[in-house]
Amino acid sequence: GAGVSQSPRYKVAKRGQDVALRCDPISGHVSLFWYQQALGQGPEFLTYFQNEAQLDKSGLPSDRFFAERPEGSVSTLKIQRTQQEDSAVYLCASSLESSASVSAQYFGPGTRLTVL
Amino acid sequence: DQQVKQNSPSLSVQEGRISILNCDYTNSMFDYFLWYKKYPAEGPTFLISISSIKDKNEDGRFTVFLNKSAKHLSLHIVPSQPGDSAVYFCAAPSGNQFYFGTGTSLTVIP
Repeated sequence: GAGVSQSPRYKVAKRGQDVALRCDPISGHVSLFWYQQALGQGPEFLTYFQNEAQLDKSGLPSDRFFAERPEGSVSTLKIQRTQQEDSAVYLCASSLESSASVSAQYFGPGTRLTVL
Repeated sequence: DQQVKQNSPSLSVQEGRISILNCDYTNSMFDYFLWYKKYPAEGPTFLISISSIKDKNEDGRFTVFLNKSAKHLSLHIVPSQPGDSAVYFCAAPSGNQFYFGTGTSLTVIP
């Protein structure tokens, strides 16, 4: 497909379980972003990749969150020892440009994570 | 610390009338603003943007107005259509990050 895809679309985890969320950006897009969206809130920035380099991870809420994009295309967001407060929709977005300031981002449908 | 704010969580408008969605920001360094539209179970989709060197940008039924002195922007949709019913987010990039408002849920009543 031509858009950003994410998998799984829904994930239910028991508290303490590790999860991995996948993002396939639009082919050729340099920039990739991860966001966390809690119910009733706007997306909140987690981390940013330019190709394979993670240039900004200031939004990751704790060291239980880890993201990678080893070949500059597919990205995985991993959450270790999940907690109930991690329940949210995790959005991935990509953009063609290398700077966030000059281009719009294209979002995937998100992964809804529910931690019981 | 919410740098982009949308103070109206919801708005209902009759079909054919104008919808006005508002957004305020606190960071005077923002120089580019975007509006996104989101349907349930989908990711946000880009709608329209405006640079701080302009005070208006129009694209079909959608117009965004920027008032830099008031740190305020608004999205006008005219005429509103039932398919416009969605959550609308305003956003502003700074560095590598995008700051989003909390969204306004628009319902267009047929």
